[in-house]
Amino acid sequence: EIVMTQSPATLSVSPGERATLSCRASQSVSSNLAWYQQKPGQAPRLLIYGASTRATGIPARFSGSGSGTEFTLTISSLQSGDFAIYYCQQYNNWPPYTFGQGTKLEIK
Amino acid sequence: QVQLQESGPGLVKPSETLSLTCTVSGGSISNYYWNWIRQPPGKGLEWVGYIYYSGSTNYNPSLKSRLSISVDTSKNQFSLKLSSVTAADTAVYYCARAETVTTYVRNYYYMDVWGKGTTVTVSS
Repeated sequence: EIVMTQSPATLSVSPGERATLSCRASQSVSSNLAWYQQKPGQAPRLLIYGASTRATGIPARFSGSGSGTEFTLTISSLQSGDFAIYYCQQYNNWPPYTFGQGTKLEIK
Repeated sequence: QVQLQESGPGLVKPSETLSLTCTVSGGSISNYYWNWIRQPPGKGLEWVGYIYYSGSTNYNPSLKSRLSISVDTSKNQFSLKLSSVTAADTAVYYCARAETVTTYVRNYYYMDVWGKGTTVTVSS
């Protein structure tokens, strides 16, 4: 099973600033990595797939990068609606698909 | 646009079977993989398993002995049954569609559309 590790667990950033979230895989997942955003009481929403491709309707301030075992989600110029929990997920090897434990992005 | 809706009992007794259904609307269930994911209270996401519209399945090894996922294409629905439940199975259960990425080596599947989720509590 591939273990996904996200850091930091909590990130405090001021609105308008940039947030950088990290995700590491225990072995290579190539570019088969997705990022999801989850707000309280809501289902996860797909942001990024293929490590760097934005899903339909996702603003350009969200960008993903990386391949192999190291990945980054960058949110430029944070808006109030961006404060949420973010999960990475690998879909290179299954079963099982595996998620990171999440990074909580909170207002500083 | 396609929408997914989970349904089923919100309370299940320990040792009994948890049964949920996901109804797909606004699109066909054909030609996609359909997933179940769960999230215990205050915790992260765990992939449960998937089914292809043709009926082939793949399960999380940690749940495989207790899990069954089926599909009814005539109703545009797929279902989950998890037997011998305990309090550890208490969670929000989500259904999700998987989109296909085709490469020259193999296909890959990422979850692009999710249902809103349904809360299942295991308690006597």
